[in-house]
Amino acid sequence: GQQLNQSPQSMFIQEGEDVSMNCTSSSIFNTWLWYKQDPGEGPVLLIALYKAGELTSNGRLTAQFGITRKDSFLNISASIPSDVGIYFCAGRNAGNNRKLIWGLGTSLAVNP
Amino acid sequence: GAVVSQHPSRVICKSGTSVKIECRSLDFQATTMFWYRQFPKQSLMLMATSNEGSKATYEQGVEKDKFLINHASLTLSTLTVTSAHPEDSSFYICSARLVKGSETQYFGPGTRLLVL
Repeated sequence: GQQLNQSPQSMFIQEGEDVSMNCTSSSIFNTWLWYKQDPGEGPVLLIALYKAGELTSNGRLTAQFGITRKDSFLNISASIPSDVGIYFCAGRNAGNNRKLIWGLGTSLAVNP
Repeated sequence: GAVVSQHPSRVICKSGTSVKIECRSLDFQATTMFWYRQFPKQSLMLMATSNEGSKATYEQGVEKDKFLINHASLTLSTLTVTSAHPEDSSFYICSARLVKGSETQYFGPGTRLLVL
């Protein structure tokens, strides 16, 4: 099925550094969601975006719904070891049957 | 709020047996639940959409007779893997949509299935 282009695929950073990852789509989206998944667990919702241009924060996390409605980014500021995990973007486009389309994930490793 | 539970968290079974996985929304009603399958280091793959009181909608390539879904109440959906084989071994995750019209899905902790 259709998937989003999520990058980077993986990141290895030092504790305290900022992180940025993004997702792009070839079609216009109405909703962007960012999830974090720890090993052996289900994804946990981080941020939900519903309007183009929307910028939303959740603690050290900030995500934006791109103005073109074809992309979204997630920033993590001042990373800490517990930020380790896989981050997934997911979205829904106008023509989809209300199913979420998923990115392939960004694996984040933080060196203490 | 918006807590989703799954049971069991992991199960090991013999080839040919059937396994039932439960997905419950603990503090909200979910008219729609979703069942996903995830292979190691891969993204989530939607298997089916479970609607309360009606038949599930299966994704292309997913055998409905193999993966039986029942959504008998607004807080419970079950996935039964029938006549399981080793290739059915995977991580199965359910999610529930909080309210009608909202796209936000809340996920359960997943069920690790190993078929010997």
